[in-house]
Amino acid sequence: GNSVTQMEGPVTLSEEAFLTINCTYTATGYPSLFWYVQYPGEGLQLLLKATKADDKGSNKGFEATYRKETTSFHLEKGSVQVSDSAVYFCALSLYSSASKIIFGSGTRLSIRP
Amino acid sequence: GAGVSQTPSNKVTEKGKYVELRCDPISGHTALYWYRQSLGQGPEFLIYFQGTGAADDSGLPNDRFFAVRPEGSVSTLKIQRTERGDSAVYLCASSLDIRQGLDEQFFGPGTRLTVL
Repeated sequence: GNSVTQMEGPVTLSEEAFLTINCTYTATGYPSLFWYVQYPGEGLQLLLKATKADDKGSNKGFEATYRKETTSFHLEKGSVQVSDSAVYFCALSLYSSASKIIFGSGTRLSIRP
Repeated sequence: GAGVSQTPSNKVTEKGKYVELRCDPISGHTALYWYRQSLGQGPEFLIYFQGTGAADDSGLPNDRFFAVRPEGSVSTLKIQRTERGDSAVYLCASSLDIRQGLDEQFFGPGTRLTVL
């Protein structure tokens, strides 16, 4: 079946540290891949996406590259800020499955000043 | 413009009661999705509407759960004989038209359901 596995949290870093949150997927077909973010007290927001192999999604200093050969979509940021503290969800969707989104279990990120 | 809205934001009910959760999608969006997010987990798909019809209800956990979208806009998720295990945040999302590749989903703030 289709699924997403992501790094378990919580992840705690100091401000300006480098961030990687690992994500791998299993899918039949050619999925679109996403990172969603949920800030404290707020709704789920799309952070970035990539729709085909080797695409790089980027937003707010975050990046992720769609790697078909390793079935991965790791999230990276070169220098995190306190305001990046949130829960991050890796996810996929398949047009053949009506684009319903399959989410990973989430990674809670806390950034220390 | 207005985003996806959901009401109520919080609902507390007793085991065995019936509840209705409402979703107002973004105006003009033809696709509407319901997800359920349990504590510490990612959202899980429940049901998808294209227009008025439920095109995929494979995520509904059992026949106590039902959803409608009679005019192709507002949707209501209905849960009968609620159980404590139904406690979760219920999320609604809408997208413009997946048939034309306009499938980015925009999420509402959710309804937190607590079954005592």
